[in-house]
Order: sequence, then C-alpha cells, then structure tokens
Amino acid sequence: AQKITQTQPGMFVQEKEAVTLDCTYDTSDPSYGLFWYKQPSSGEMIFLIYQGSYDQQNATEGRYSLNFQKARKSANLVISASQLGDSAMYFCAMRENAGGTSYGKLTFGQGTILTVHP
Amino acid sequence: DTAVSQTPKYLVTQMGNDKSIKCEQNLGHDTMYWYKQDSKKFLKIMFSYNNKELIINETVPNRFSPKSPDKAHLNLHINSLELGDSAVYFCASSWTISTDTQYFGPGTRLTVL
Repeated sequence: AQKITQTQPGMFVQEKEAVTLDCTYDTSDPSYGLFWYKQPSSGEMIFLIYQGSYDQQNATEGRYSLNFQKARKSANLVISASQLGDSAMYFCAMRENAGGTSYGKLTFGQGTILTVHP
Repeated sequence: DTAVSQTPKYLVTQMGNDKSIKCEQNLGHDTMYWYKQDSKKFLKIMFSYNNKELIINETVPNRFSPKSPDKAHLNLHINSLELGDSAVYFCASSWTISTDTQYFGPGTRLTVL
C-alpha cells in the first residue's frame, strides 16, 4: 500500500482564489511528521510547511495552511489568494519515527501540478 | 550564501563512465541525504549520513557510493553509469536525523547517453 497518496494529478485555480491540494497517508506509527514541498519548473525543491502528528493546531505559514485531520489520515495543503508564481508541482511527504529507526527518511507522494490562471 | 549547493547542475555522459556529484551545506546541519527523482517525478531516498556516518542505504546498487569527508559535504560517486541512472539527484540536509525539516539543494540533472 502506498504510504502517501496524492489523488489529484493536476489542479487549476483562478488567481486570487484559494485552492486545496489533497494528501492522505498511511502509517501505524504514532509519531510522524508531514511536509509539503513546492517544485517550480526551475526544478528546486522548496519547503513550505510542516505538521507534527502530536501538534494540536493546524500549521500555517503565510498563505499556506495545512488542514490536518488525523483520524482521516489526511494532510491537505490550502493555498489562499493564489498567485501566478504558485504554479508548480506540489509534493506531500511523510517522515515516520518508526521507533527511532526511520533515520529521517522522507516518503513522498506522486505530486500534484497546480496551474494558476490569470 | 546558498544553503545547500550541488555541482554540477547538469551532467551529460556516456554509458559506462564514472561520475561524481558534489553537495555542500553551510547550515551547520548534522545530517545529509541523497534523493533520486525519476522521469515521472517520483522522489525516493537513496542514502542518509549523520555526522559523516552512513545511516540509510535504501537498496541502491553498489555502483552508487556516497562519501562524506566532513559533515558539511556529501558527495555521490556513480560507477559504470547505465541508461536507467538518468534522473535528477537531490542533496538535502537537516539539523538532526530524526525530527527536522530537510532542506534541498537545487538538484543535478544526470543524463546518460
């Protein structure tokens, strides 16, 4: 079974509107971290936001927020007030603690290509 | 003042050659990683090093050999390159091995002809 699933290969949004990118995960580890990264067409991987499994509140970073629903095992990224520069591929990733044996390994989803229209 | 840097950015070479990719981080992090992104954009970890010690070797062919001369550098040497090695290779680093955000370098696009 896939550990991280991003079911939307592509998403479109109008400039200035909000968009939600879906991410579901699968783990039996009580301690884990969830990350979102942005990969623009230039190719670099840019860290956006982090949510720990024990965090009580949803993470926010500027226009990015993470809608963390632990019981549903979902960690959706919400981008508010989309900008043309938000057009990129977005990856959800998980780091499991695995009793201290995961050694920092990130497992990535397949990615979602977001296109922002003017 | 780039945080995680990689050289070269592009590498085009013939099958059978040996090549190296260098990675340096100036963040003072203890842990460094190599990831491979294939043609379908799927990212998978290859190695992680913590304080110059190999921690993860994720079933990578032994033609790939990472080397960490110090905790700020993690190089990737690839012997006998094959067509299937064509990919983008990302270096990343984090403060510790277990709980911190990983920051990625710009990537090295390797093309094997």
